[in-house]
Amino acid sequence: DQQVKQNSPSLSVQEGRISILNCDYTNSMFDYFLWYKKYPAEGPTFLISISSIKDKNEDGRFTVFLNKSAKHLSLHIVPSQPGDSAVYFCAASANTGGFKTIFGAGTRLFVKA
Amino acid sequence: DGGITQSPKYLFRKEGQNVTLSCEQNLNHDAMYWYRQDPGQGLRLIYYSQIVNDFQKGDIAEGYSVSREKKESFPLTVTSAQKNPTAFYLCASSIQGRDQPQHFGDGTRLSIL
Repeated sequence: DQQVKQNSPSLSVQEGRISILNCDYTNSMFDYFLWYKKYPAEGPTFLISISSIKDKNEDGRFTVFLNKSAKHLSLHIVPSQPGDSAVYFCAASANTGGFKTIFGAGTRLFVKA
Repeated sequence: DGGITQSPKYLFRKEGQNVTLSCEQNLNHDAMYWYRQDPGQGLRLIYYSQIVNDFQKGDIAEGYSVSREKKESFPLTVTSAQKNPTAFYLCASSIQGRDQPQHFGDGTRLSIL
């Protein structure tokens, strides 16, 4: 059973527009969420995170929104750039889970110039 | 320049053989992790270690073994008991704490001959 779901395997966006990547989770005990970005032939790199005590966290062009009642979070990239083309993983951890972080399957973002 | 190094990048194994994947970090991180990634799936946790000489099973530990004799090193052995070992393996490290982002290596792709 997938506790963290990224239902869109891929997303295509025009350069300069907004990219919105979505993530749903089923475990109500999750209280910390992270987004990672992965280029081909490289390991994932940390992008941005959010704690459940917040509903928004912003870092430059990247903003993560958390809707706890809907068990949904989203990553907004504004404006999108061709260099943003990568696979984005959503991840979550629970206070009861020790050091376990559960990852989604990823969404491949294509930003067209 | 601090980082995490996985070797080799590509590895081939014959049926019935054990194989060891290397993971070294010079980030002075206490915690280290091994994940497996299969097509269309997220990263699944194999083993993790919070401190030297201690490690715990993740969600898919069967057929794998690890050791943590040094802070810098966390090798993963894929044993012959692992029935479907072909996958992409990622090693990560972090400061202790589940809200700490993980730093990943570039992965090892293991294939069965």
